Amino acid sequence: NAGVMQNPRHLVRRRGQEARLRCSPMKGHSHVYWYRQLPEEGLKFMVYLQKENIIDESGMPKERFSAEFPKEGPSILRIQQVVRGDSAAYFCASSGTGPTGELFFGEGSRLTVL
Amino acid sequence: KNEVEQSPQNLTAQEGEFITINCSYSVGISALHWLQQHPGGGIVSLFMLSSGKKKHGRLIATINIQEKHSSLHITASHPRDSAVYICAVHNNDMRFGAGTRLTVKP
Repeated sequence: NAGVMQNPRHLVRRRGQEARLRCSPMKGHSHVYWYRQLPEEGLKFMVYLQKENIIDESGMPKERFSAEFPKEGPSILRIQQVVRGDSAAYFCASSGTGPTGELFFGEGSRLTVL
Repeated sequence: KNEVEQSPQNLTAQEGEFITINCSYSVGISALHWLQQHPGGGIVSLFMLSSGKKKHGRLIATINIQEKHSSLHITASHPRDSAVYICAVHNNDMRFGAGTRLTVKP
């Protein structure tokens, strides 16, 4: 299956721990997007990355959150010192041509902070 | 006011009915996407539009760039179409509508 792969699918963390979410885009795709869906809320854009570059991080909280998409390997969304309000589903999508390209979504990673 | 407005918020239909979901937006866009999110939470991209009209099976999506409006139509609706349909407008970032929760009853 050459689709967008996210892992882990479910992650449980205690307050103060770190959460790392991984996204492997579709083969050949160099554009990756991260979105967050809080419980009972809509999707919110977080960050848009190309290989080794952050293109738009206007949706990222200023503190504790970071994202990268290295030359080799998956994109990583990192949340430091998690709080209960970080509990959400985090979706990754990839495209081959950026904002004018078709998007393919991963199944999401569901983070629960105890 | 949200930059992407969808209507209706909730929609219940009988199997076989023709369904329309509307989306209006107020920002400049490179493309507009219609997404489907099933109760399990997974998201599928149904259409990506920058102009005109697209059709896939029983689904039709249209966009009017001048009026900043798009519609998603489902013909001969079926219970398996029950899901949340989300309109999203795309530049570098992406702005999402709140979604339309569709329930199709047999």
